[in-house]
Amino acid sequence: QQQVKQSPQSLIVQKGGISIINCAYENTAFDYFPWYQQFPGKGPALLIAIRPDVSEKKEGRFTISFNKSAKQFSLHIMDSQPGDSATYFCAASSQGGSEKLVFGKGTKLTVNP
Amino acid sequence: DGGITQSPKYLFRKEGQNVTLSCEQNLNHDAMYWYRQDPGQGLRLIYYSQIVNDFQKGDIAEGYSVSREKKESFPLTVTSAQKNPTAFYLCASSRGQAMETQYFGPGTRLLVL
Repeated sequence: QQQVKQSPQSLIVQKGGISIINCAYENTAFDYFPWYQQFPGKGPALLIAIRPDVSEKKEGRFTISFNKSAKQFSLHIMDSQPGDSATYFCAASSQGGSEKLVFGKGTKLTVNP
Repeated sequence: DGGITQSPKYLFRKEGQNVTLSCEQNLNHDAMYWYRQDPGQGLRLIYYSQIVNDFQKGDIAEGYSVSREKKESFPLTVTSAQKNPTAFYLCASSRGQAMETQYFGPGTRLLVL
């Protein structure tokens, strides 16, 4: 019940296209859903995060969509650029518990020029 | 410059040897975390500490040990009991409140000779 399932494992998109990464969870106590971006050989960095009181959050070309009833959330990257090529991790945590994040297994995104 | 530093960048371990990975932060964060990253496995929590002189096991603590004697330091020892230590190790810190961003260091890659 503590898992966060992420798909796809890898994704190849052409420059200018839309990249979509999906995550699903079981634990209804989760109430914070961040996405982290990791470039090869580097540590992950927070990209964007959402709380379940909103269904969508947009920051520039990056949008999180959240479906509380389906227990799913997704990351959309509009106008994907080669510089977006990285591994993306979704995560979840619950305010009532510790500050531990439960991470998905990651999606390696490649944006071809 | 505020941030998290990890050293060394690469570390080699011989059979039966204990090795210690360093993690230092100057962000004045209360909470610190150690993760292990393997290809296709995402980030798995080894240990975390929410306050000085206190720490808790994560999901894969066997074969590892930590200490938290100072707020800014959270070293990880990979003991000889860890039979498969080859991985990328990431340290992170946060203010320790719910829904707070975790900030990651650049990582240490541990290889077995």
